[in-house]
Amino acid sequence: EAGVAQSPRYKIIEKRQSVAFWCNPISGHATLYWYQQILGQGPKLLIQFQNNGVVDDSQLPKDRFSAERLKGVDSTLKIQPAKLEDSAVYLCASSPGQLFYGYTFGSGTRLTVV
Amino acid sequence: AQSVTQLDSHVSVSEGTPVLLRCNYSSSYSPSLFWYVQHPNKGLQLLLKYTSAATLVKGINGFEAEFKKSETSFHLTKPSAHMSDAAEYFCVVSDRNTNAGKSTFGDGTTLTVKP
Repeated sequence: EAGVAQSPRYKIIEKRQSVAFWCNPISGHATLYWYQQILGQGPKLLIQFQNNGVVDDSQLPKDRFSAERLKGVDSTLKIQPAKLEDSAVYLCASSPGQLFYGYTFGSGTRLTVV
Repeated sequence: AQSVTQLDSHVSVSEGTPVLLRCNYSSSYSPSLFWYVQHPNKGLQLLLKYTSAATLVKGINGFEAEFKKSETSFHLTKPSAHMSDAAEYFCVVSDRNTNAGKSTFGDGTTLTVKP
């Protein structure tokens, strides 16, 4: 089966600009996650969707970050305006719906804010 | 509340020697525990998972981990390291009682394998 697709792989922007990331999960996976991984740290959950509804966005900086999951399939994560501290790898993951199976991760988008 | 502590940020071994990556967890509920591996510029790959069945869990590439409730540990081991094992390893704890429950990642252990 195809894996989790993410684009772009790399992005460099200036601070205060906006940026968007796209994720296409594995077909049929009900749950989709966005994680932020800062260099030297473990991934931190930003938002979790179950189908097209938000399950957990408690750690999403809502003043600048937004996310949506269109028709319960693809998802986009947006940052507007970006700050230097947003430089990180943004990982998308999906699972069938029960964590029992674990996640399948995409390769991530490496964002550099200068 | 749940948390996970990876006790070593860096581990260095020689090729052919055993690997031990240590992980302690804290969870208010019955936990699921996972180990993921991340090679440079690659996504995270699931190595193995514990979800309440056998306490000794075997994963891919010869890795295994043992769930010890009394010690709240889930250490990752491999009898003989290979050069291709050099990567970042993450221990993850999740609340098994919650549907698609929230997971907490450790900060990772960098494994270096010397020839």
